Amino acid sequence: EVQLVETGGGLIQPGESLRLSCAAFGFIVNSNYMNWVRQAPGKGLEWVSVIYSGGSTYYADSVKGRFTISRDNSKNTLYLQMNSLRAEDTAVYYCAAGTGYYPDAFDIWGQGTMVSVSS
Amino acid sequence: SYDLTQPPSVSVSPGQTARITCSGAALPNLHAFWYQQKPGQAPVLVIYKATGRPSGIPERFSGSNSGTTVTLIISGVQAEDEADYYCQSADSNGSWVFGGGTKLTVL
Repeated sequence: EVQLVETGGGLIQPGESLRLSCAAFGFIVNSNYMNWVRQAPGKGLEWVSVIYSGGSTYYADSVKGRFTISRDNSKNTLYLQMNSLRAEDTAVYYCAAGTGYYPDAFDIWGQGTMVSVSS
Repeated sequence: SYDLTQPPSVSVSPGQTARITCSGAALPNLHAFWYQQKPGQAPVLVIYKATGRPSGIPERFSGSNSGTTVTLIISGVQAEDEADYYCQSADSNGSWVFGGGTKLTVL
């Protein structure tokens, strides 16, 4: 079965760091483009970051310079390193894959992991 | 980056047709996608490249595009279609953008 499983969320204080993981099953992470999308409580979806199969990475302006997306091909896992966290980073973080089955779409989503930034 | 604009809410009675619009200046040059999200669940792709319907999505879901506006059309709305709907498109520099979302209420 094709699926994504996120882990690593939790309660953290402002200014601290956290790393999210997204394990992929049934498809190869480095053959597809992988994204992080977040949703603050009661708000809409916000795209955060993408890593393409060739390794290019892009970030939303709101996280640029603080977050880093990466992947471990041997573990078939996507990561999001989040530094200098702020209260406004509080959200459910989803990983989403574009496998190419439906061109350019985010066709596989994980169940999400909650990140709460509060003192 | 640029904005995709959706109405905050749309209400229809069961059996009627719901139309949810998404407007963006770059849409004539970029593909658009639609996602359905029910409370406590992850988003699900319901339309790709403005008019394509993924396998497993009911035929009552369709899409159209006209210039700077794309539209999600749900014909014969059912109670189970009540959800938030988001449009999405690529930005010009490799990044992505979502619309603000539309809450569909089935009366």
